[in-house]
Amino acid sequence: EAEVAQSPRYKITEKSQAVAFWCDPISGHATLYWYRQILGQGPELLVQFQDESVVDDSQLPKDRFSAERLKGVDSTLKIQPAELGDSAMYLCASSLQYQETQYFGPGTRLLVL
Amino acid sequence: AQSVTQPDIHITVSEGASLELRCNYSYGATPYLFWYVQSPGQGLQLLLKYFSGDTLVQGIKGFEAEFKRSQSSFNLRKPSVHWSDAAEYFCAVGAMDSSYKLIFGSGTRLLVRP
Repeated sequence: EAEVAQSPRYKITEKSQAVAFWCDPISGHATLYWYRQILGQGPELLVQFQDESVVDDSQLPKDRFSAERLKGVDSTLKIQPAELGDSAMYLCASSLQYQETQYFGPGTRLLVL
Repeated sequence: AQSVTQPDIHITVSEGASLELRCNYSYGATPYLFWYVQSPGQGLQLLLKYFSGDTLVQGIKGFEAEFKRSQSSFNLRKPSVHWSDAAEYFCAVGAMDSSYKLIFGSGTRLLVRP
């Protein structure tokens, strides 16, 4: 069964450092999503791609966060500089097309010290 | 604004007992509705979804959910809970805002007593 891959699974960093997360969606899935899940809450959308184009990044803190999906396949989410409040689970999801069922990866748990 | 409410933060049931997890949504149009399950430190696994048609939806692991438009609810049920069902359960609505996105509830943590 095809799955969304994410790495690393865990990341510990100090504030003001740069971190990057990688996501490889299910093969053939055109739409890719990055969500942030703070402990005890549901996930919230950060950014959404359709192929290589950003569809929605309205909730992405653009002063420190960036995301790219250069070839319309895998994607990288970067935080620079990291802040204590960025500690969370970062989830990647993909869907075959826009508005179709989203399938989630295992997530990257970030701890900022 | 679209929203999802899961009124129960924690629920504890005995193994073999029945389960119902509540979910209420606020959305102006016909919603797409989902239940996902998350084990500790893991990603979200899709249990079931409702797009249209039969309002009683069957999912994986013996779960089902019923869409009730008049009550704006999409409650999750299972007739007999197993210890391995202990996890966090999230209800979500697929909503059009600046784009199509999932709006999640805050989750219900299920504990199973042996």
